[in-house]
Amino acid sequence: DARVTQTPRHKVTEMGQEVTMRCQPILGHNTVFWYRQTMMQGLELLAYFRNRAPLDDSGMPKDRFSAEMPDATLATLKIQPSEPRDSAVYFCASGNPAGANVLTFGAGSRLTVL
Amino acid sequence: GIQVEQSPPDLILQEGANSTLRCNFSDSVNNLQWFHQNPWGQLINLFYIPSGTKQNGRLSATTVATERYSLLYISSSQTTDSGVYFCAVEGAWSSSASKIIFGSGTRLSIRP
Repeated sequence: DARVTQTPRHKVTEMGQEVTMRCQPILGHNTVFWYRQTMMQGLELLAYFRNRAPLDDSGMPKDRFSAEMPDATLATLKIQPSEPRDSAVYFCASGNPAGANVLTFGAGSRLTVL
Repeated sequence: GIQVEQSPPDLILQEGANSTLRCNFSDSVNNLQWFHQNPWGQLINLFYIPSGTKQNGRLSATTVATERYSLLYISSSQTTDSGVYFCAVEGAWSSSASKIIFGSGTRLSIRP
């Protein structure tokens, strides 16, 4: 059963620390998205990639967030330094390559910054 | 950029009732999807429906692209239908290619 895998599932850290979240998209999917959700609110698009190339990261605070796809099986979202307002659930989703871009979501990484 | 509005924001129903959730979007779209987020936070894709009508069991969806709206119908609601329903769209213009943005959701609560 194909799935998007995110790690860690939960992370508690101190303000100022670096946080790295990882996502393994479904094999063969060519688009990868990072979304942030706070308190069961809407899903805010942070960044997305197509064929590993970043297309848009305008949703991210540039001074502290970075997103990369070092290879087709790994996408990373890094926060440095982390702040309490970054506490949220971060979701990764990948889209199938058949033109429809139907999204499959990972289970999310719940981040708490103290 | 394209705007996505969902209504109503909250809906409370008794088990067995029917419901209609609406998604309005401000521009032409290539792609429209409906998702259900369950109370444990999992996001499940319900429909890919840029136009036309689809049905899956008690759920069905209709998108009228020319009038820029989509409807999600839930019939004979069950408590397991509770959660938040999101509409997500990808704009039709090259400047928004592959960019999928979400509405703010409709929170549905089904009472036993």
